[in-house]
Amino acid sequence: QKEVEQNSGPLSVPEGAIASLNCTYSDRGSQSFFWYRQYSGKSPELIMFIYSNGDKEDGRFTAQLNKASQYVSLLIRDSQPSDSATYLCAVNHPDNRKLIWGLGTSLAVNP
Amino acid sequence: DAGVIQSPRHEVTEMGQEVTLRCKPISGHDYLFWYRQTMMRGLELLIYFNNNVPIDDSGMPEDRFSAKMPNASFSTLKIQPSEPRDSAVYFCASNLAGQPQHFGDGTRLSIL
Repeated sequence: QKEVEQNSGPLSVPEGAIASLNCTYSDRGSQSFFWYRQYSGKSPELIMFIYSNGDKEDGRFTAQLNKASQYVSLLIRDSQPSDSATYLCAVNHPDNRKLIWGLGTSLAVNP
Repeated sequence: DAGVIQSPRHEVTEMGQEVTLRCKPISGHDYLFWYRQTMMRGLELLIYFNNNVPIDDSGMPEDRFSAKMPNASFSTLKIQPSEPRDSAVYFCASNLAGQPQHFGDGTRLSIL
């Protein structure tokens, strides 16, 4: 059983639309949640992190966390072609400092 | 500030050869992580260090893989002997406890 699950996609949205990326996790003790973006052939780069239930906004990005439902999402408003990438969800392991990673969702923003 | 620095960026070698990957973490970071990424398995944690001490090596696939961190500014991942199935992108990342991890540019390894 996978501990962090993401829809692999591809998720295709038109330019200017809202892209919604979802992630579920299995361990209720997890406390830190991260979204990374990875362009093809590049390394993962941090987009957002969230520790508390609710929403956290940073520019066009909003992370949403619901610990009761064990669900974290990333919304991208006014999507741009430059947002086309794979988005990785990572959740901290409750017992230590390592992260458990999802396989990523591929996002394509069409002009 | 310099980010995580990995070398080499690309490595192509023949099966059976020793491969050494290098990483310099961000100065001041006390955690260092080695990952392997493939299309099939995604990002897999191989081993991580805290204050130069290996904490969890449960992800190291087999005895052919070894990692060291002789000081706070340098770590190596060795594969000996290498096999074609070891072909992947290897990432090093570092952080301070509780903070997000920062990744190097990775080493793209091809074993022929």
